[in-house]
Amino acid sequence: EPEVTQTPSHQVTQMGQEVILRCVPISNHLYFYWYRQILGQKVEFLVSFYNNEISEKSEIFDDQFSVERPDGSNFTLKIRSTKLEDSAMYFCASSEGTAVSYEQYFGPGTRLTVT
Amino acid sequence: GQNIDQPTEMTATEGAIVQINCTYQTSGFNGLFWYQQHAGEAPTFLSYNVLDGLEEKGRFSSFLSRSKGYSYLLLKELQMKDSASYLCAAPYSGAGSYQLTFGKGTKLSVIP
Repeated sequence: EPEVTQTPSHQVTQMGQEVILRCVPISNHLYFYWYRQILGQKVEFLVSFYNNEISEKSEIFDDQFSVERPDGSNFTLKIRSTKLEDSAMYFCASSEGTAVSYEQYFGPGTRLTVT
Repeated sequence: GQNIDQPTEMTATEGAIVQINCTYQTSGFNGLFWYQQHAGEAPTFLSYNVLDGLEEKGRFSSFLSRSKGYSYLLLKELQMKDSASYLCAAPYSGAGSYQLTFGKGTKLSVIP
């Protein structure tokens, strides 16, 4: 069964450093998402991406964040200057289509620890 | 805005039935999802309801009442592996895509 993959599984970085989290969505999916989950808290939407541009972003997704689809398979989330409060699990998700009933498939996540 | 409420924790016995409730207030209604999340893992899809009523899928069923802003997930014949968090999520429409607003999740502990 096709699945969303993410690398790395765990990233430790120092405050102020840049990190890039990578995702490979399911190959025939068209819509891509990033969510984050701070330990013990709810899953929160960051950004959605379609047709090589951002569709929607939350207020969490400020100028420190950017997303890119550098080639036909990868989808990346960059945090330019990490802060302690960016420590969280970051999930990539993809869906086949735009209809609301389309299930979003989540990757296993990248645990980001900012020290 | 979107607001989703669900109980924080529940405990149930192996082999029993448990009902996890979710109430929601949304600006516009686009259905409701239930996801399962084991500790340290990704959410996995369980169900999607857009019409009132009960939808059954094996041991898991999900119910929706749009007039009451209420849904529940029913788990039958509980197994130890059902110990997980269960997330209620409402999609809201952005510019051509649907983003999910999640509740805080209900942590279910299944005991022998």
